[in-house]
Amino acid sequence: GDSVTQMEGPVTLSEEAFLTINCTYTATGYPSLFWYVQYPGEGLQLLLKATKADDKGSNKGFEATYRKETTSFHLEKGSVQVSDSAVYFCALSDWQSFQKLVFGTGTRLLVSP
Amino acid sequence: NAGVTQTPKFQVLKTGQSMTLQCAQDMNHNSMYWYRQDPGMGLRLIYYSASEGTTDKGEVPNGYNVSRLNKREFSLRLESAAPSQTSVYFCASIDQGKVQYFGAGTRLSVL
Repeated sequence: GDSVTQMEGPVTLSEEAFLTINCTYTATGYPSLFWYVQYPGEGLQLLLKATKADDKGSNKGFEATYRKETTSFHLEKGSVQVSDSAVYFCALSDWQSFQKLVFGTGTRLLVSP
Repeated sequence: NAGVTQTPKFQVLKTGQSMTLQCAQDMNHNSMYWYRQDPGMGLRLIYYSASEGTTDKGEVPNGYNVSRLNKREFSLRLESAAPSQTSVYFCASIDQGKVQYFGAGTRLSVL
């Protein structure tokens, strides 16, 4: 079945450092890919998405590119802020699975001043 | 602009007790979902409802039942709670662009 693998955390960075969180996927169809973010005590909210190969999703300084050849969707940000501290989830949605999301296990990001 | 509303936010049960988690969305979405979140396991799908009047099992349905009461509301019931059901439960609905919108969650402890 479909699956998502993302790097284990926590990822600990200083403010203004460069961030990469790796995500790879396995899917039989042509999935859409997502990054969701969860702030403490809250539900998940969409950070960015990409629906086809070579698409780049971006939002709030975060970017991720849909790489079909490497089945990856790595999350990057050039300069993190303390307010970016959260748990980040990579997810996919395959048209065959009726829009069900398959999530990775989440990566906690801790940014210190 | 409520989005997805879940009640209650916190609940403590004793083993064998029953309860219903409520979820309502005001975005006129057709499909709704229930997930559970456990440490190190991400979110796992319990049940989903593609449209009003239909429900289907997800990855971990055992011990749960659901009701799609109308287009807005999708409830999750634990008939006889077990400690293994201690978790954080999230309800979500989906828009036409495949983006899921989540509630704030219900933290459930079963003693």
